[in-house]
Amino acid sequence: QVQLVQSGAEVKKPGSSVKVSCAASGGTFSSYTANWVRQAPGQGLEWMGRIIPRYGTTNYAQKFQDRVTFTADESASTAFMELSGLRFDDTAVYYCARGGSVAVTALYHFDFWGQGTPVTVSS
Amino acid sequence: QSALTQPASVSGSPGQSITISCTGTSSDVGFYNHVSWYQRHPGKAPKLIISDVASRPSGVPSRFSGSKSGNTASLTISGLQAEDEAYYFCSSFTSSTTFYVFGTGTDVTVL
Repeated sequence: QVQLVQSGAEVKKPGSSVKVSCAASGGTFSSYTANWVRQAPGQGLEWMGRIIPRYGTTNYAQKFQDRVTFTADESASTAFMELSGLRFDDTAVYYCARGGSVAVTALYHFDFWGQGTPVTVSS
Repeated sequence: QSALTQPASVSGSPGQSITISCTGTSSDVGFYNHVSWYQRHPGKAPKLIISDVASRPSGVPSRFSGSKSGNTASLTISGLQAEDEAYYFCSSFTSSTTFYVFGTGTDVTVL
């Protein structure tokens, strides 16, 4: 059974950056994508984008493309999400989720999720 | 890209059936058979319960079923159990550059 384990909660100042990790155990991201999804308090979930660790290829949602960077260490089966220029409305729980792509495994859903990383932006 | 619309809350008694709707547009739910449903208990990782409209992954109880008509997908829980009390959300692949759109989420309460 694949488990995605994310790094712990973060409290950040406005304008700073946060980097969240997502490590896969019992499986890998090798033939899949690592997706990042966030949920702000009282809001629905929002897809931020994805990375194909095997190729390093990324797709960013337009809303985040100027501030977010996805990276991956395929050998460690770990994906990373860095969000810069933090604002108060970036306060949210950030999830990683394993998905697919036509370039690797053609899945159109997210079969495993991390436990979520709360990020609080506060002055 | 607008979120898919779900009812904020649905409730039912043990043994009853409930249905959660997920309404999108002709660019997402109505166009692609790639609607999925997830269950999330407090403090836990979301769990995939339905993929591609109506496919149930191994290990998911048969009381969970999915369907779609036009721009609306639905999740039905038949024979509601106490452990089904959770937060449920849908997702659809979309033709926009934001590849996936999510539902607004539904809290299910077992009375």
